[in-house]
Amino acid sequence: KQEVTQIPAALSVPEGENLVLNCSFTDSAIYNLQWFRQDPGKGLTSLLLIQSSQREQTSGRLNASLDKSSGRSTLYIAASQPGDSATYLCAVSGTNAGKSTFGDGTTLTVKP
Amino acid sequence: DAGITQSPRHKVTETGTPVTLRCHQTENHRYMYWYRQDPGHGLRLIHYSYGVKDTDKGEVSDGYSVSRSKTEDFLLTLESATSSQTSVYFCAINTLAGGPGNEQFFGPGTRLTVL
Repeated sequence: KQEVTQIPAALSVPEGENLVLNCSFTDSAIYNLQWFRQDPGKGLTSLLLIQSSQREQTSGRLNASLDKSSGRSTLYIAASQPGDSATYLCAVSGTNAGKSTFGDGTTLTVKP
Repeated sequence: DAGITQSPRHKVTETGTPVTLRCHQTENHRYMYWYRQDPGHGLRLIHYSYGVKDTDKGEVSDGYSVSRSKTEDFLLTLESATSSQTSVYFCAINTLAGGPGNEQFFGPGTRLTVL
């Protein structure tokens, strides 16, 4: 059974810092990995999708990497802003009907 | 946001009553999912659908049933609600179409409280 772990569970940084969120998974036979953002009381917003054959994806100040063999992904946020404060979740999906396993998330607070 | 809506957005009900949550999508995606989100458990898959009238169980399906009579609608039913089913329920679609993609998009969620 796939298990996904996100460390740390919570992170607080001053505005402007670069930071890295971690995601690890136990079964490397994945189809893709997706990073989401969730604001309090809201749904999940897709940030980045990395296919299993890819090593990284970038969108603006966000960069996600994938090392399938070691079962790890990182989400790098450059020049953090207070508006980046949210919970970030990673999800890995297998080849069976696109079903995903989610980590519990990292709650990020960026202080002005 | 892939045109996903959920209704109702909030519901309070009593133990033992039936409850149906609706997920509606506007883009004819084949795959749809129901998840529940609870503190300490993250997001867990309840049921999913891979086409009209084609559904299957997820990891926490006990006490839930689903139906999909049209591509755009996926219904989740709690036959007899219990307090342990108090949660936030999310619907999702997957762009899986036999090629690159397989990206999930989520609806806004339904907050269900069972008293």
